[in-house]
Amino acid sequence: DAGVTQSPTHLIKTRGQQVTLRCSPKSGHDTVSWYQQALGQGPQFIFQYYEEEERQRGNFPDRFSGHQYPNYSSELNVNALLLGDSALYLCASSLAGGALEQFFGPGTRLTVL
Amino acid sequence: GIQVEQSPPDLILQEGANSTLRCNFSDSVNNLQWFHQNPWGQLINLFYIPSGTKQNGRLSATTVATERYSLLYISSSQTTDSGVYFCAVVRTIYTGANSKLTFGKGITLSVRP
Repeated sequence: DAGVTQSPTHLIKTRGQQVTLRCSPKSGHDTVSWYQQALGQGPQFIFQYYEEEERQRGNFPDRFSGHQYPNYSSELNVNALLLGDSALYLCASSLAGGALEQFFGPGTRLTVL
Repeated sequence: GIQVEQSPPDLILQEGANSTLRCNFSDSVNNLQWFHQNPWGQLINLFYIPSGTKQNGRLSATTVATERYSLLYISSSQTTDSGVYFCAVVRTIYTGANSKLTFGKGITLSVRP
């Protein structure tokens, strides 16, 4: 049973560039959430996708956008990168249905220079 | 929004010792999860425990929802238990998909041989 996968593992970009991160959910899951974890902090909720639509959004600017495909995989796009966007980006998968358990991928570590 | 406080922030143990990690939350919750983040950043699910007590090997957890706290017990600690432990809660159930997790800042555990 494949767990949550994310790609790439690491990424280095410069300010102003755009980046796309990818996530494949755990087999059987249909909901993908994205979190940003700055150094020394707990993860912060960015947004969630279900049925190919953004369903909830945290306190992040619209430079952060996403997409979900029919196979439930998801992308996180960040435009006009800032130094402060350097973080570990985590994808979580779950079933839809209220307050169900979420499972996380290994993360993508983004460095913005 | 809901506040999640974890204590102590740092913990150093000798191998074989027992420990208790605490998570306090400021309002009622519909879900609570404990995670272990390994040195590579992967969040590993330990417990899904909105209330009651669960055990898994050397680890156990208790959530007293009415008093707004949860405890994670680690017995006979091993060096592989080192890492950061996060508590995350769901305050509001979102019926459109799943609900976002709000994380504490984590507890850094170091187990020395």
